[in-house]
Amino acid sequence: DTEVTQTPKHLVMGMTNKKSLKCEQHMGHRAMYWYKQKAKKPPELMFVYSYEKLSINESVPSRFSPECPNSSLLNLHLHALQPEDSALYLCASSQADRLYEQYFGPGTRLTVT
Amino acid sequence: QQQVKQSPQSLIVQKGGISIINCAYENTAFDYFPWYQQFPGKGPALLIAIRPDVSEKKEGRFTISFNKSAKQFSLHIMDSQPGDSATYFCAATIISGYSTLTFGKGTMLLVSP
Repeated sequence: DTEVTQTPKHLVMGMTNKKSLKCEQHMGHRAMYWYKQKAKKPPELMFVYSYEKLSINESVPSRFSPECPNSSLLNLHLHALQPEDSALYLCASSQADRLYEQYFGPGTRLTVT
Repeated sequence: QQQVKQSPQSLIVQKGGISIINCAYENTAFDYFPWYQQFPGKGPALLIAIRPDVSEKKEGRFTISFNKSAKQFSLHIMDSQPGDSATYFCAATIISGYSTLTFGKGTMLLVSP
C-alpha cells in the first residue's frame, strides 16, 4: 500500500465551527506532515511529526491544532478559522530517516465562510 | 539563500514536443532535488529526483539535468502528451539532518493535442 488517504475531500465550515481533518498511511512511515496550499502556489509546510512527536511547527496560528494518535494517523483540528484559511490541506508521509522523500495525499479542500 | 527559483511560470507545448522547466538554487548545502507533478484537485506526486553526484537522471520520458557549478537543474519531458498537463514543482533539500523541502513556485504545463 503506497497511499496516503485524507478525509474529507471537501469541507465547508463557518468561522465559529470546530472540525477535524484526517490523514492515514499504511506504508510504515514514521514521519508525517501537514501542508497548506493556496491556488497556484507551492505547498507550505505547517507541521512535522516524527515518531508521533511534533518536531516542527512553522509558526502556525493556534487555531490549527495537530494531533498524531499513532504511527498511521494524523489529524488536524480546526477552530475559529478565518476566510483566508481556505485552501487545500495536504498530508504527506515519509520514512523518518528520509524526510526528503515525501508522499502526498490528495488533500482536503477547505472553505471557510 | 533558501529560495529555489523556477521558470517559466507557465508553458504551452504541442503534443510530441519537449517540455523544459528550469530551477536555480542558492544554498550549496542542498543535496537532493526532487520534482513533483500535481494534477488539479490532487496532491503532488514525486516524479523523479536527483543528487548532485550525477549530471543527469532519466526515467522514461522524464529527465533531470543537473549543473552543480551553475546551481541549476531542469526537467525535460520528451514526447510530451496531453496527459502530462499539470503543475510541476521543483524542490531542494538537505538529505542529512532535519531539513524539509524548499519548493519552487511551480510551472503550469499545458500540452496541446
